[in-house]
Amino acid sequence: DAGITQSPRHKVTETGTPVTLRCHQTENHRYMYWYRQDPGHGLRLIHYSYGVKDTDKGEVSDGYSVSRSKTEDFLLTLESATSSQTSVYFCAISEDLSALHFGNGTRLTVT
Amino acid sequence: KNEVEQSPQNLTAQEGEFITINCSYSVGISALHWLQQHPGGGIVSLFMLSSGKKKHGRLIATINIQEKHSSLHITASHPRDSAVYICAVRSNYQLIWGAGTKLIIKP
Repeated sequence: DAGITQSPRHKVTETGTPVTLRCHQTENHRYMYWYRQDPGHGLRLIHYSYGVKDTDKGEVSDGYSVSRSKTEDFLLTLESATSSQTSVYFCAISEDLSALHFGNGTRLTVT
Repeated sequence: KNEVEQSPQNLTAQEGEFITINCSYSVGISALHWLQQHPGGGIVSLFMLSSGKKKHGRLIATINIQEKHSSLHITASHPRDSAVYICAVRSNYQLIWGAGTKLIIKP
């Protein structure tokens, strides 16, 4: 299995607080993605990165920011968490836009 | 209308049955992915297709580019195949996701 670690695995936070989720890979893959998964929806892309310090928005990027200062780490920050951001967040990596490898997910609850 | 449609949304079958899950898309694609998500959340890539057919164990994936349609088949289904199966297409360097098919195999 591709080496992808998401942390934390579970988090409960209050509305209005900032939250940072971390994705760490040991595969040296170029592309990294953050998705959210909600009931009734397919996976929805929040942000993605195509290299160190190279990031771009996905379809549901409002309220989220990302940073990639090293190849192995891709951070997702909820600047001021809202209840609508309660979701399961998945990180994924890909070397050449072919195979996609997913982390185990982070379950975030915003109360 | 979603650009990637999966059918059925839910499927319950008995152990041993032959299973077919369908994926139709409306955009030009360079590849199509099938993935599996077990209860508890982990997502695993099963196949990536750009043409024809691929087989891995009891799983077979086919794609018809002209008809913009792909199928995932499971032969001799087993309760451990119970999962959500997700289709995604790569179009213009973006991935477009289907909503998934929830499969339950009863012993």
